[in-house]
Amino acid sequence: NAGVTQTPKFRVLKTGQSMTLLCAQDMNHEYMYWYRQDPGMGLRLIHYSVGEGTTAKGEVPDGYNVSRLKKQNFLLGLESAAPSQTSVYFCASSYTGVGAQGYTEAFFGQGTRLTVV
Amino acid sequence: AQSVAQPEDQVNVAEGNPLTVKCTYSVSGNPYLFWYVQYPNRGLQFLLKYITGDNLVKGSYGFEAEFNKSQTSFHLKKPSALVSDSALYFCAVRAANTGFQKLVFGTGTRLLVSP
Repeated sequence: NAGVTQTPKFRVLKTGQSMTLLCAQDMNHEYMYWYRQDPGMGLRLIHYSVGEGTTAKGEVPDGYNVSRLKKQNFLLGLESAAPSQTSVYFCASSYTGVGAQGYTEAFFGQGTRLTVV
Repeated sequence: AQSVAQPEDQVNVAEGNPLTVKCTYSVSGNPYLFWYVQYPNRGLQFLLKYITGDNLVKGSYGFEAEFNKSQTSFHLKKPSALVSDSALYFCAVRAANTGFQKLVFGTGTRLLVSP
């Protein structure tokens, strides 16, 4: 049972380079999320998606783009990496839920450690 | 706006002693509350949740949490700590409204259990 899988696990970029982080989930979840984790700041939502073909901005969207062409995949792109984007990136997914009975917890991938030099 | 406060950056406890990791929240309307644990170089793992019903929620690995609406708190507890419980713990909240509601995380509390 794979759950949420992120690739790559580690990456070092030079300032100005671009890259795409891939998230794949096999639980048929509608919602998917990208978070970044920085020391002392917890997890902050970058972008999210409530279904295939839809995306929306979270708390800290600047410098990132996302796409959800297939329900099971959620891609996070950095067009021109900056040192401020050095972080650990987590993808998560969850069911939708209307009311208490339908809501379940989010499931997280193992993270991508990105360093921008 | 939703927010979560974890007032302690680190909690130290001896193995076998009870542990408490504190969490308070602010949300419009009723909350859904969650605790996650993160071991080194790993993703977040779900521990337990409060959605509705009994204020005392039991979760994985012997952890439990008590929802206190009047104090807007959701403290994580365990009667007897293990060294293997040492990890980073996150509290999270979302509003119990329909449609998409953002899940907001606290800054995390590092639990260190000494032998």
